Amino acid sequence: NAGVTQTPKFQVLKTGQSMTLQCAQDMNHEYMSWYRQDPGMGLRLIHYSVGAGITDQGEVPNGYNVSRSTTEDFPLRLLSAAPSQTSVYFCASSSGINSGNTIYFGEGSWLTVV
Amino acid sequence: QKEVEQDPGPLSVPEGAIVSLNCTYSNSAFQYFMWYRQYSRKGPELLMYTYSSGNKEDGRFTAQVDKSSKYISLFIRDSQPSDSATYLCASHGGATNKLIFGTGTLLAVQP
Repeated sequence: NAGVTQTPKFQVLKTGQSMTLQCAQDMNHEYMSWYRQDPGMGLRLIHYSVGAGITDQGEVPNGYNVSRSTTEDFPLRLLSAAPSQTSVYFCASSSGINSGNTIYFGEGSWLTVV
Repeated sequence: QKEVEQDPGPLSVPEGAIVSLNCTYSNSAFQYFMWYRQYSRKGPELLMYTYSSGNKEDGRFTAQVDKSSKYISLFIRDSQPSDSATYLCASHGGATNKLIFGTGTLLAVQP
């Protein structure tokens, strides 16, 4: 059972380039989300989705786009990368964040924008 | 100001000590409170979950929530070097599906 799989694990981008961080889960979870983690800032919610076709903004959505065409996949797109987007990105999934359902995190994607 | 505030530490204790980790939150609608543990260069993993006020115990770990003061605590008894990690509190509730994290506290348990 793979759980939550993120690719790539490491990426270096030049300012202005675009890229997509991939996230896939095999647990048939409805809830998926993207966080970024920066020193001293903790985990900050970028975007989340409560099911296929439904997405919403989190705490820091600017500069990022998401879509949810299937239950399994929740890609995060950077349309024009900026150095401020250098961070570690975590994808997470759950059957629902109410009732204490466990939220499973991926292993993270380290992104550097130069 | 973040909706969930946490002292970033770092916190260093000797093996066997009792560790107290704390968070405060500002959103009165929050009903669900969680503690995650994160080892270096890994994703967070759920450690404890509490609904509303009260205590919950699991082995050496006790989670405590006081909604009247908007205070969240995690106690670790008989701490071990393997407990060395970053501990993150998180909370959500109300009409939102947003799970909000604190900044995390880095804990080092010295053998």
